Amino acid sequence: DVKVTQSSRYLVKRTGEKVFLECVQDMDHENMFWYRQDPGLGLRLIYFSYDVKMKEKGDIPEGYSVSREKKERFSLILESASTNQTSMYLCASSLPGLAGSYEQYFGPGTRLTVT
Amino acid sequence: AQSVTQLDSQVPVFEEAPVELRCNYSSSVSVYLFWYVQYPNQGLQLLLKYLSGSTLVESINGFEAEFNKSQTSFHLRKPSVHISDTAEYFCAVRTGANNLFFGTGTRLTVIP
Repeated sequence: DVKVTQSSRYLVKRTGEKVFLECVQDMDHENMFWYRQDPGLGLRLIYFSYDVKMKEKGDIPEGYSVSREKKERFSLILESASTNQTSMYLCASSLPGLAGSYEQYFGPGTRLTVT
Repeated sequence: AQSVTQLDSQVPVFEEAPVELRCNYSSSVSVYLFWYVQYPNQGLQLLLKYLSGSTLVESINGFEAEFNKSQTSFHLRKPSVHISDTAEYFCAVRTGANNLFFGTGTRLTVIP
């Protein structure tokens, strides 16, 4: 059974803190993605990676960075958390392009609250 | 640019009634379309997809969607909904070599 896990389901941090969100997949997928989900806005892509040490900016990368040192792990970093980064964060993975039929597999999400 | 529009943010429907969740797309490349479902407190999971071939695609739990090129639509339908169908549904379109663009979601609430 395919699996994407995220390090925390709920997280509360203070403004200005550095925050790490971890995502691990066990499917040997090349692609990994980070989204944030907000009511009325759907899912918006923050960053994605199509290989180890490779990363590409998505639609809303400002205030975030990522790290992919191993194929199975993709980390999202908030360098200095702000209240407008309070959101649900979803990680996903997929095989490349048509080989994987573009299907993305999602983790359960991390609900981050920044106070 | 590729995008999708979900016209309804919330759809309440009585149990055993039919439902249609609307999705319109725009795309300048080969169209690949998806519906994902998110049950409460869970991540998204694929419900069904259109890549090529038959324009009518079905899921294992009774949902179906039809790719309509002339109307640029990919509406999701079910003839009789169950309480367990209560969830948020997202339409998505392929954009680029690996990525999907997701709509803003439709919250389906099934009323007993």
